[in-house]
Amino acid sequence: DTGVSQDPRHKITKRGQNVTFRCDPISEHNRLYWYRQTLGQGPEFLTYFQNEAQLEKSRLLSDRFSAERPKGSFSTLEIQRTEQGDSAMYLCASSLKDPDPTDTQYFGPGTRLTVL
Amino acid sequence: AQKVTQAQTEISVVEKEDVTLDCVYETRDTTYYLFWYKQPPSGELVFLIRRNSFDEQNEISGRYSWNFQKSTSSFNFTITASQVVDSAVYFCALSYETGGGNKLTFGTGTQLKVEL
Repeated sequence: DTGVSQDPRHKITKRGQNVTFRCDPISEHNRLYWYRQTLGQGPEFLTYFQNEAQLEKSRLLSDRFSAERPKGSFSTLEIQRTEQGDSAMYLCASSLKDPDPTDTQYFGPGTRLTVL
Repeated sequence: AQKVTQAQTEISVVEKEDVTLDCVYETRDTTYYLFWYKQPPSGELVFLIRRNSFDEQNEISGRYSWNFQKSTSSFNFTITASQVVDSAVYFCALSYETGGGNKLTFGTGTQLKVEL
């Protein structure tokens, strides 16, 4: 099985620019999660999709953030008008709820964003 | 509210020593799931072990073992005969089923350094 992939792995941008990240989950996984991790901290939940439906968004996800999963497969996370505080590692995870009741999430390598 | 505490910020051991990583959690839910993930310097979170709240049986898997005690809300993880390749940040995480899927709440991580 191919694991979760994310693109790009690194992104450097200037403040005020828009950026978009892509996540390809493990095939047949119906759930997809986005997390953000800053230095020295554990990942924090941003948003969650079941198939193509976005079912929850964290209050961490300001209006500048938007996520999509148009056909229930890959997902994109866009940040508009980036700020220096957006600098972090953005992690994507996928899972298959049934038959696994624990909904174990498998993570991609992450996209490291640096906003100058 | 969910909370995970990893009081050990950093642990250093010599190769072949056993090491235990501590995790204490808080939750009001009766059904929940506990996980340990490893994050090597490459940045990708790697799933290690999981346990659901109904199963307090402790297990051993290779060099990994875990001790789940609901009475003390602890989910400790032990690596026996540590190796240099075990050097990484280890995260304990907690989840439960909500309308937002099984979003994970992570601790702040424990940096493990295994030296020759």
